[in-house]
Amino acid sequence: ETGVTQSPTHLIKTRGQQVTLRCSSQSGHNTVSWYQQALGQGPQFIFQYYREEENGRGNFPPRFSGLQFPNYSSELNVNALELDDSALYLCASSLESRADHNSPLHFGNGTRLTVT
Amino acid sequence: DAKTTQPPSMDCAEGRAANLPCNHSTISGNEYVYWYRQIHSQGPQYIIHGLKNNETNEMASLIITEDRKSSTLILPHATLRDTAVYYCIVSRSSNTGKLIFGQGTTLQVKP
Repeated sequence: ETGVTQSPTHLIKTRGQQVTLRCSSQSGHNTVSWYQQALGQGPQFIFQYYREEENGRGNFPPRFSGLQFPNYSSELNVNALELDDSALYLCASSLESRADHNSPLHFGNGTRLTVT
Repeated sequence: DAKTTQPPSMDCAEGRAANLPCNHSTISGNEYVYWYRQIHSQGPQYIIHGLKNNETNEMASLIITEDRKSSTLILPHATLRDTAVYYCIVSRSSNTGKLIFGQGTTLQVKP
């Protein structure tokens, strides 16, 4: 069973640039969620994708956007980067079905983004 | 989703049981209690979850009070590798992908 993998592991960008982070879900999972974790804080929910559509969004501006592909891999895109976007970005996958919404999240180890 | 309160830090001796408390006094009837932990430089790891009854798996036990206003995560024989930040989260089953993490409890297991 392949776990959740994220790429790249580290990234440095300049304020105003755009960034794309990638995530491969755990085999068999159909739902992906993205979280932002600032230093010393708990992860904050950005959004979730289910069947290639956004299925819930946290308190993040529209410059944070995402995609889920037919193979359930996903991307997080952030436009017009700000210094405060510096954080660990975590991807998590799960298997959701009508019968069972209790599927726990399986997290990757994240992408550390630094905006200078 | 209901809010949770956890102590910011705890110590535990290696080999002893670690008991991590969590208060969730505003929990509603359809909300589950989830526990995750995050070891330094890694993503969070699912530990266990429950609704009303106590639960046990290979990692830990979850004890939920009868009124469901608090719970305790028990690591029966803590090892140094259990040093991590432990998050107690309350969530409806339909929201399991949209978890609200607090600050968690930093558990330090000492030799």
